Amino acid sequence: QKEVEQDPGPLSVPEGAIVSLNCTYSNSAFQYFMWYRQYSRKGPELLMYTYSSGNKEDGRFTAQVDKSSKYISLFIRDSQPSDSATYLCAMSAYAGNNRKLIWGLGTSLAVNP
Amino acid sequence: GAVVSQHPSWVICKSGTSVKIECRSLDFQATTMFWYRQFPKQSLMLMATSNEGSKATYEQGVEKDKFLINHASLTLSTLTVTSAHPEDSSFYICSAKLGQPQHFGDGTRLSIL
Repeated sequence: QKEVEQDPGPLSVPEGAIVSLNCTYSNSAFQYFMWYRQYSRKGPELLMYTYSSGNKEDGRFTAQVDKSSKYISLFIRDSQPSDSATYLCAMSAYAGNNRKLIWGLGTSLAVNP
Repeated sequence: GAVVSQHPSWVICKSGTSVKIECRSLDFQATTMFWYRQFPKQSLMLMATSNEGSKATYEQGVEKDKFLINHASLTLSTLTVTSAHPEDSSFYICSAKLGQPQHFGDGTRLSIL
């Protein structure tokens, strides 16, 4: 079993839809959770960063962490064609400089005009 | 926001050539940088962790004599692929830490003929 599971999709939605992206994990020590967006042939771009449980909102994006269920989500409201990309979740247990991120496979999202 | 610059963005060269990729943190100092490799439709694979002024820490299975990493200053890390062969063709991405999350460069597409 992988430490982080993420459905690779592809996920296709109409413009304006609410998108829900999810990751599950097995290591209960994970405390730091990140969502990255990656466009084709580009490096990942940090979207959301959360520590421990709870919700965090930034514009059209909301990140949720449920540590009891070992489940994290990213919601995109009023999705736009420019949101079409691969979304990667990443997480780690420690805060040290050399701490490694554990990555999901990424979910490919297409928002259709 | 934190900006990481990676150069070059695309390299095509003959088999046997050595290729150097630069990673710079433009608006912050990074004591730790990371080098990743990514194959098409796959997630990021950590190759090595680079600490300023010391030897890099390589992940299991990554040849340190093949992938030379130098982190000579707080804003620059370099990855040199020595005597590159077609199987080294891939997308190489660096990242630098500012606080907790990692910030990524735009990647280097390496094609070995």
